[in-house]
Amino acid sequence: AQSVTQLGSHVSVSEGALVLLRCNYSSSVPPYLFWYVQYPNQGLQLLLKYTTGATLVKGINGFEAEFKKSETSFHLTKPSAHMSDAAEYFCAVSPSSGTYKYIFGTGTRLKVLA
Amino acid sequence: SQTIHQWPATLVQPVGSPLSLECTVEGTSNPNLYWYRQAAGRGLQLLFYSVGIGQISSEVPQNLSASRPQDRQFILSSKKLLLSDSGFYLCAWITGGGYEQYFGPGTRLTVT
Repeated sequence: AQSVTQLGSHVSVSEGALVLLRCNYSSSVPPYLFWYVQYPNQGLQLLLKYTTGATLVKGINGFEAEFKKSETSFHLTKPSAHMSDAAEYFCAVSPSSGTYKYIFGTGTRLKVLA
Repeated sequence: SQTIHQWPATLVQPVGSPLSLECTVEGTSNPNLYWYRQAAGRGLQLLFYSVGIGQISSEVPQNLSASRPQDRQFILSSKKLLLSDSGFYLCAWITGGGYEQYFGPGTRLTVT
């Protein structure tokens, strides 16, 4: 069975500060890992993904995440927050084959302070 | 290019009324299709997924049902809505051979 835990349902950072959103997962098989962003009343947009290979993955809008197998983590970071980064972020895990049913975390709402 | 459509965008329905939400995908063939519900303050709950026409798998027991009458069409239905059916409904797809889910714009359902 797979599960995802996102620590912190709400995170506030100042504009220009480091963004760190935490995601831990459990999986009995090699997982695929994803981060999505959701703006109010919109669908989810894929930020980045990890499947195989390089454990540090870069995504859109300056975000990146590092897959750490020993820590079962896939934390999302951005060096400098922009006001436009204010949104809800979801971490998801999927098996690496089959129907690719995602398990989503409960989300982290990021607030960027001027 | 591939796009996904959902309609209606918003819907207000009384308790006990029927429901039909539609999702269509363009620019791809034989996608995996998914219905999720997002309740206020909660994450995404997978409701149904489909790997082909007429093939529906249900993830959560409830009064909702899904159908896939055509390759790129996915419909979510209910015969009698409950208050607890309120939420934001999202359709997603994976193209054949892929593993990234792409989401539609969603339908906001309010049951009164």
